[in-house]
Amino acid sequence: AQTVTQSQPEMSVQEAETVTLSCTYDTSESDYYLFWYKQPPSRQMILVIRQEAYKQQNATENRFSVNFQKAAKSFSLKISDSQLGDAAMYFCAYRSAFNTDKLIFGTGTRLQVFP
Amino acid sequence: NAGVTQTPKFQVLKTGQSMTLQCAQDMNHNSMYWYRQDPGMGLRLIYYSASEGTTDKGEVPNGYNVSRLNKREFSLRLESAAPSQTSVYFCASSVLTVDTQYFGPGTRLTVL
Repeated sequence: AQTVTQSQPEMSVQEAETVTLSCTYDTSESDYYLFWYKQPPSRQMILVIRQEAYKQQNATENRFSVNFQKAAKSFSLKISDSQLGDAAMYFCAYRSAFNTDKLIFGTGTRLQVFP
Repeated sequence: NAGVTQTPKFQVLKTGQSMTLQCAQDMNHNSMYWYRQDPGMGLRLIYYSASEGTTDKGEVPNGYNVSRLNKREFSLRLESAAPSQTSVYFCASSVLTVDTQYFGPGTRLTVL
């Protein structure tokens, strides 16, 4: 069975600085998708970024980028120029390309942003 | 375009009571999902509906039933609520199961 591990329960960053959130996963599959979701205090789960395992190029969405290391099964999220609105819980998630019905989530990292 | 909506936002039940959580999406998505989120844990899949007319169990289906009423609506029913079902419940939808899932705002349920 696949698992997703987020080893940092909490992280903090100064406004305008850069922070990296870690995520590792375990799978025997070769084709899959990885996601980062943001959950602000409103509880709404918002998709931040998505990575297809067959793509070597790291995904980027504005200030958000990932470092996808397939051999190491690592999928970290880098937030550049952090803003107060980035404060939230961040969840890493895995989905098989074969058994596509469910997302497997990590336990989350709470990010605090200080002015 | 409201996306995925859930009602109610909050609910308190007594042990043994029943209730139905409602979910609707206006994105013409085929697939819909119900998750629960417990403190210190990620979301876990309860049930999903890959397309209208089908439903399947997820990781934690015990104590729940679902109904895919039509393409837009997917409800989750607790027949006899238990304190262990105290959680935040999220509905999600996607075009197909292979596509990105979009989430509703969640329902916080407390069972006393």
